[in-house]
Amino acid sequence: QKEVEQNSGPLSVPEGAIASLNCTYSDRGSQSFFWYRQYSGKSPELIMFIYSNGDKEDGRFTAQLNKASQYVSLLIRDSQPSDSATYLCAVHSGGYQKVTFGIGTKLQVIP
Amino acid sequence: NAGVTQTPKFRILKIGQSMTLQCTQDMNHNYMYWYRQDPGMGLKLIYYSVGAGITDKGEVPNGYNVSRSTTEDFPLRLELAAPSQTSVYFCASSFPGQGLAVFQPQHFGDGTRLSIL
Repeated sequence: QKEVEQNSGPLSVPEGAIASLNCTYSDRGSQSFFWYRQYSGKSPELIMFIYSNGDKEDGRFTAQLNKASQYVSLLIRDSQPSDSATYLCAVHSGGYQKVTFGIGTKLQVIP
Repeated sequence: NAGVTQTPKFRILKIGQSMTLQCTQDMNHNYMYWYRQDPGMGLKLIYYSVGAGITDKGEVPNGYNVSRSTTEDFPLRLELAAPSQTSVYFCASSFPGQGLAVFQPQHFGDGTRLSIL
């Protein structure tokens, strides 16, 4: 069973701080990694995706991938109250056109 | 551009009733998915389809059926509703990539909130 692990939180950070969200996965063959943001009562929306080891930056968001250690993280710089949401990690392990989602980490940005 | 459209948005069913959750996408995506999300839980895959006429089971297929007669539509059928099927259902779609980016990000519908009493 391919597993994707996330701490459910809540993770509380003050406004303006860096929020660090982590995700580990069990399948060493995993190839594609996605972060989705989900506001309460809404559907998931894509924040970042990363395919190669290293960092990928998009505005205030940075995705970090370390395949050797089997973890992927999402950094949110200058956190805003509007970033308060649940962040879902999704991992594609190859072979089938489907992903496995973690349970999500709830982020609370305190004004 | 409508993207992925799900209907209905809300529904209350009685135990033993049946219904179909509709999902349609206008992005010409080959791949379509049905997930359910229970409170405090991640998304669990029910069924998926890689193209018209091709469907396959996900993690939690029991109690559900799907069909895919066109690229655009991927309805989910509940035959005998049970309280355990109370959940939020999301439909998603994506197009095939290649190489390292073989799996592309999914686009989600707004969800159907289903209660079975």
